[in-house]
Amino acid sequence: GAVVSQHPSRVICKSGTSVKIECRSLDFQATTMFWYRQFPKKSLMLMATSNEGSKATYEQGVEKDKFLINHASLTLSTLTVTSAHPEDSSFYICSARDGRGMRYNEQFFGPGTRLTVL
Amino acid sequence: EDQVTQSPEALRLQEGESSSLNCSYTVSGLRGLFWYRQDPGKGPEFLFTLYSAGEEKEKERLKATLTKKESFLHITAPKPEDSATYLCAVQLQGGSEKLVFGKGTKLTVNP
Repeated sequence: GAVVSQHPSRVICKSGTSVKIECRSLDFQATTMFWYRQFPKKSLMLMATSNEGSKATYEQGVEKDKFLINHASLTLSTLTVTSAHPEDSSFYICSARDGRGMRYNEQFFGPGTRLTVL
Repeated sequence: EDQVTQSPEALRLQEGESSSLNCSYTVSGLRGLFWYRQDPGKGPEFLFTLYSAGEEKEKERLKATLTKKESFLHITAPKPEDSATYLCAVQLQGGSEKLVFGKGTKLTVNP
């Protein structure tokens, strides 16, 4: 149980284009989803927290107009990197929290999406 | 400022050689401490959550412990398949669900 998927796993795009990444909880309903970014040999950095049906809460320094987050249902959240530039190249990982039962406080991570902007 | 420091940065062990990884934290108030395992190019895999000093949890060859200032992840008789980066994260008191991660310890177990 507690499986989270991400799609695509890898994406290469040209500078200036937008890229959408999907995060799905496959066997549970996620009350909260989180989006992280990870640079090589660095910690995971939280970008934003989203609750189903409400606006995402962004961490300080994260541009909300550049990283659009939609949490349309209890099993799906999307991250859209708008007008991507090479400095946006990174490993993006989502996590989902059940919020109920014994696993109420545990975050389960997706496999990640490697974004390369040329 | 809330900080999570993991040591060592990298650790090489021989198969069967037990050891411990350390996660020390300086936070305003701890709600919970999490351990994850991350393989290259993959997302973190949940291992344990600890909530109070003195708490211990075990899973196969792994055992996590928690004190008021740090947590240890003990690996008993490791196997090559235990090779991975182990991440520690803290969740702060105050209602926030966010996790603050350390940089991880890269463990290599040689056969």
